Amino acid sequence: GIQVEQSPPDLILQEGANSTLRCNFSDSVNNLQWFHQNPWGQLINLFYIPSGTKQNGRLSATTVATERYSLLYISSSQTTDSGVYFCAVERNTDKLIFGTGTRLQVFP
Amino acid sequence: KAGVTQTPRYLIKTRGQQVTLSCSPISGHRSVSWYQQTPGQGLQFLFEYFSETQRNKGNFPGRFSGRQFSNSRSEMNVSTLELGDSALYLCASRSGTPPYEQYFGPGTRLTVT
Repeated sequence: GIQVEQSPPDLILQEGANSTLRCNFSDSVNNLQWFHQNPWGQLINLFYIPSGTKQNGRLSATTVATERYSLLYISSSQTTDSGVYFCAVERNTDKLIFGTGTRLQVFP
Repeated sequence: KAGVTQTPRYLIKTRGQQVTLSCSPISGHRSVSWYQQTPGQGLQFLFEYFSETQRNKGNFPGRFSGRQFSNSRSEMNVSTLELGDSALYLCASRSGTPPYEQYFGPGTRLTVT
């Protein structure tokens, strides 16, 4: 099956810093989503981005499908950005396969 | 539009019991998927229902089952609970037409003692 690797596994930042999270996947996919899991466990949709670039406020994402990776950029980080960020991919509307996540901690 | 809702939010059960979790998808969404999240295994796919039919199934034992009703609401059942079934169970819905973005509910946290 498809393998999804996320890096780095842990990231510690001071408020105001920028960061880049990476997601590599081992096969072609039809769907790629980025999620932020809040402290209560809910997965919050950040981007649906099987290819191309999207921006939403301080967050942006780029997926290069031909090279099988996606990047999530967080600019001017805030303490509320803390949590775990997951990349998930899907082939043929089958099932989402999740990476192991990047745990982000932002300190004031 | 209201989001995906799950009930109950928290549950404590004893080994050997069974449990039923409920999920109401976003209005108009016909596909409901279930995922299990544990610290050791991460997020894993359980099954997907579309128009009352199981369309896909993950690699879980037969103790895990589900169903979907005509209003797209879904339930999952775990029989003969084991300690290892303690997890966060997440439900997701999507419309079934492009884009195939999935939206998750808040989850049910199950503790088996």
